[in-house]
Amino acid sequence: EDQVTQSPEALRLQEGESSSLNCSYTVSGLRGLFWYRQDPGKGPEFLFTLYSAGEEKEKERLKATLTKKESFLHITAPKPEDSATYLCAVVSLGGSQGNLIFGKGTKLSVKP
Amino acid sequence: DTGVSQDPRHKITKRGQNVTFRCDPISEHNRLYWYRQTLGQGPEFLTYFQNEAQLEKSRLLSDRFSAERPKGSFSTLEIQRTEQGDSAMYLCASSLKPELFSGANVLTFGAGSRLTVL
Repeated sequence: EDQVTQSPEALRLQEGESSSLNCSYTVSGLRGLFWYRQDPGKGPEFLFTLYSAGEEKEKERLKATLTKKESFLHITAPKPEDSATYLCAVVSLGGSQGNLIFGKGTKLSVKP
Repeated sequence: DTGVSQDPRHKITKRGQNVTFRCDPISEHNRLYWYRQTLGQGPEFLTYFQNEAQLEKSRLLSDRFSAERPKGSFSTLEIQRTEQGDSAMYLCASSLKPELFSGANVLTFGAGSRLTVL
């Protein structure tokens, strides 16, 4: 069964304190891995798509990397406005292209 | 284009009542998806359409749930005889159909419709 596990469940950082979020996945072949950001009471907002092991993508203070078993979202020198829940999702080759399988998310809090 | 729009944003209803949610996707997107999200969980797939055809339904979509996308534009999600366990955020998303042999396309989500069943 396709599965996505995110860790930690919650992370508290001081402003400027860099860290990483983990997304481990088990799928019958990976079609794509997605990172989304979700603010309270809002829908997920797209950040990155990764398709193959070794791929990396960057956007401002965020960098996403992918291996054959997991993905990391690295946050460099975070600011309070980076506080949100970060969701990881996969689409498997064995599943429907319409079916994103999400993890439970990591809730990030950045204190000034 | 203002993105994916959902209406209403909040709905409070009594157990046993019927509710309907509407989703207006990004105009050039031919795929439309419905997900459900409960507190502390990630979104769970319910169903998706390509144009007006409903291509897949999750086993989460019981017979009390029905989704339609007439004319391949907006979509509605109706829940009949609501139960307290139906309380959740109902998220709609849209995307383009992925090119053959390419990776999955990016889903753009709406702000969601929050349902509370008393």
